Amino acid sequence: QVQLQESGPGQLKASQTLSLTCSVSGDSISSGHYYWSWIRQHPGKGLEWIAYIYHRGSTYYNPSLKSRITISVDTSKNHFSLKLSSVTAADTAVYYCARQSPAAMQFDYWGQGTLVTVSS
Amino acid sequence: QSVLTQPPSVSAAPRQRVTISCSGSSSNIGNNAVNWYQQLPGKAPKLLIYYDDLLPSGVSERFSGSKSGTSASLAISGLQSEDEADYYCAAWDDSLNGEVFGGGTKLTVL
Repeated sequence: QVQLQESGPGQLKASQTLSLTCSVSGDSISSGHYYWSWIRQHPGKGLEWIAYIYHRGSTYYNPSLKSRITISVDTSKNHFSLKLSSVTAADTAVYYCARQSPAAMQFDYWGQGTLVTVSS
Repeated sequence: QSVLTQPPSVSAAPRQRVTISCSGSSSNIGNNAVNWYQQLPGKAPKLLIYYDDLLPSGVSERFSGSKSGTSASLAISGLQSEDEADYYCAAWDDSLNGEVFGGGTKLTVL
């Protein structure tokens, strides 16, 4: 059974850098069969795709966030990470990590999500 | 403003059938697969339909998907109270070079 688990600080101050890690079990990132993605959901709002990374480090970023995002993978630890710089209150959201299948780009497994709150 | 357009809400009585529409353009729905997700209150989204009309293992056959041109639809038959949730469509967008979601549709079972 594939499982993903987000971890990282739940509270930040404006202008800091958000850092989250997604630990994967039940699958190996290095297998190269899937993309590994981050998605967020603002309180009471819809879903917003942030970025994905492939096991060799190829990345795709949401153009609206690209200048502030860094996504990386550590195959030895079977986890991938997200850094979002210069956060503001507008970055307050639940952040999900997910496995994405190249076949139809579907997110077939999701983490439970982690709420990140940015205060001034 | 979401790239894919969904109605904010739909409702129907138990055992009825409901459809949720998702409208896009040639750069997303018109040229790429559509996927649907169900998000129960307080939970992470769950894959419901992929590649326009395929059901993942374990998903009830009461759910079905279809696509025509730049629009897609999710149908739920034999509505049950447990189907009350938010539903999202999604597709890759070739112009934006990223995944785009609909704004979500809240389903109420009357």
